[in-house]
Parts: sequence; structure tokens; C-alpha cells
Amino acid sequence: GGIITQTPKFLIGQEGQKLTLKCQQNFNHDTMYWYRQDSGKGLRLIYYSITENDLQKGDLSEGYDASREKKSSFSLTVTSAQKNEMAVFLCASSIDSYAEQFFGPGTRLTVL
Amino acid sequence: QQQVRQSPQSLTVWEGETAILNCSYEDSTFDYFPWYHQFPGESPALLIAIRPVSNKKEDGRFTIFFNKREKKFSLHIADSQPGDSATYFCAAIRTGNTGKLIFGLGTTLQVQP
Repeated sequence: GGIITQTPKFLIGQEGQKLTLKCQQNFNHDTMYWYRQDSGKGLRLIYYSITENDLQKGDLSEGYDASREKKSSFSLTVTSAQKNEMAVFLCASSIDSYAEQFFGPGTRLTVL
Repeated sequence: QQQVRQSPQSLTVWEGETAILNCSYEDSTFDYFPWYHQFPGESPALLIAIRPVSNKKEDGRFTIFFNKREKKFSLHIADSQPGDSATYFCAAIRTGNTGKLIFGLGTTLQVQP
């Protein structure tokens, strides 16, 4: 088994602020993902990475940067927080593209 | 545009009934179709998945029915229990497409006791 850790659990920022969310996994999975989940909406892919140092844009990448520093960690940066940014950001990992994705507990972002 | 469409958006059934959740997709090259469920306050988790080599996949009370010609698949939850109340997401991915699982918007299921 393994676990995905996301930090922080809650993040409060000011409009225009640069904010960083972190994700760690100990599954030894190659592929990692960042999703945004807005209330009552589905999961929208922001960035994913199929291996260390790889980055692929998802459907919602504008306004975000990502970094796959090492195999076990994947960071997401909100480059300039906006009030409509308030959502839960979910990190996930999988062995490969077609395997089960395991999700972390999420970071809930609030922008004041 | 939404490549994977789910219906209904919300569904209420009585305990013991069969809940039917529907999905359709656009891209005929999609070849892996998982369903994830998400309980309130928790993260999504894989429930069951199918590849179109077969048109049915069962796991206990959960069954996926797949219609390749109509590009539709559905999740049937037999003998629904209040503990099945959750949001269910269907998804699809194309072999050879690196990593991009496409999720539907979800169906929120409420099972009334």
C-alpha cells in the first residue's frame, strides 16, 4: 500500500498572491496529476506528469505552473490567485496512464 | 466541449432498488472506462472499470454495461443501500494517450432508506 500527502490541507490567500500546493506519494508511481474540483462540478485536469521532470498541460493549465521535482513529489503553483479560484485541488498518482488513480485528501483553497 | 457526458446530474432511489447511472462519449478510440465514486468529504476512489473487449463487467452489486456501437456505458447498482449515497464519476481514456483520463461531471446518488 501507499499514501498520498497533500500540504497544506487548507490554504487561504489574498487575491493576486502566488500560492504553492505540494503533493507527495510513496507508491513509487510514475504518473502524477493535479485536478481542480469546484463545488458541484467534476474533476478538471490542470497538469500531469508521466515521469520525473516531465510536465503535460491539462484542460485548465492557464494561471497555473507545476513542477515535478522528483518521482515522489509534484507541486502546483497558482501564479496569481483570483476570487473564483476557490476550490479543492486534488493530487493523484498512478503506475501508468491506464491504471487506477489514487487521490490525495485535497487542499481547499480560499481566496480573500 | 464535454467529451464524456453523464446523466442524470442527480438521482434518488429507494433502498433495495437498482440505480442506473449513464455515460456517453464522443471519441471512438477511447478504450478504458473506469467509474470512480466520491463520498461526502472524501476523495474520489476507483469503483469498477471496463475495457470494450467485453460488454459487461460485474463486481458484486456493481455492473457496467457497455455499448460500443452507441458509445454509451452505464453503471447499475443493484439492491442500493444508503451507504451507496455518493457522487459517481465516469471517465474514459485512449490507449497511447499519455495520462489524460477524461472525467464526466458526475451523478450525485441519494439512496433513501
